[in-house]
Amino acid sequence: DAGVTQSPTHLIKTRGQQVTLRCSPKSGHDTVSWYQQALGQGPQFIFQYYEEEERQRGNFPDRFSGHQFPNYSSELNVNALLLGDSALYLCASSLVSGGRTYEQYFGPGTRLTVT
Amino acid sequence: GESVGLHLPTLSVQEGDNSIINCAYSNSASDYFIWYKQESGKGPQFIIDIRSNMDKRQGQRVTVLLNKTVKHLSLQIAATQPGDSAVYFCADSGNSGYALNFGKGTSLLVTP
Repeated sequence: DAGVTQSPTHLIKTRGQQVTLRCSPKSGHDTVSWYQQALGQGPQFIFQYYEEEERQRGNFPDRFSGHQFPNYSSELNVNALLLGDSALYLCASSLVSGGRTYEQYFGPGTRLTVT
Repeated sequence: GESVGLHLPTLSVQEGDNSIINCAYSNSASDYFIWYKQESGKGPQFIIDIRSNMDKRQGQRVTVLLNKTVKHLSLQIAATQPGDSAVYFCADSGNSGYALNFGKGTSLLVTP
C-alpha cells in the first residue's frame, strides 16, 4: 500500500520565479491538503482539495494556487516567489467520512529554498 | 485568533521512563485532535487521534487524554525508547473539520 508521495524532494528557486510541487495521495484516499512548515514551526494549512475543487483555504495569498486531478493527485503552485516562501511544503491525504476529514497522513515534504 | 499551543518546548527523559507531552487548545468548537511525531527531515507521522466524545484513547505504548473542561490534551508514551526522540505536534480540527491547526511542537529527547 503506497503512502503519500511528493516530488521533488528539494528545490532551489530565485525570487520572482514560479514553482510547482506535486503530490500523490495514499491509496484509497480522495482528499489532499497542503501545508507550509517554516523551520522550527508547526505546519500551517494552505488549502484542501476534494472532488477536484478547493474546499477550504488558509491565510495564504493568491500567489498560492492548487489543482486536484481526477486520479486524486494534486499540485501546489506558487507564483512570484519571495524569500519568505522558503519552507518545507507538506502534502497530507485523507478520506472523507461523513463530510469530514479525520486522519491526515503526510508525505515526506518538498524543501523549497528561495534565493 | 484561536490556536493550539504547547506548554513545554523541550522535554528530556531517560530511556525506559514514561513521557508526558501536554497541549492546550483554545477553540471550543474543535471536536477532533491528533498527535503527530516528526523526525528530522521527515514529514509528520500519525500517532493517535481522539474525538471529543471520548476522554481517553490508547494505542501501542501511547495514550491520549482529553480534558474538554480545561481544553487540554496530553500524549503519554510508556517505556520511552531512543527511537521516540523527535518533535511532537498536537493538532485540532478547528471550526471546519477540514484543516488541521498545529501548535509549535515539543522536542522530546530520550537519553540512555
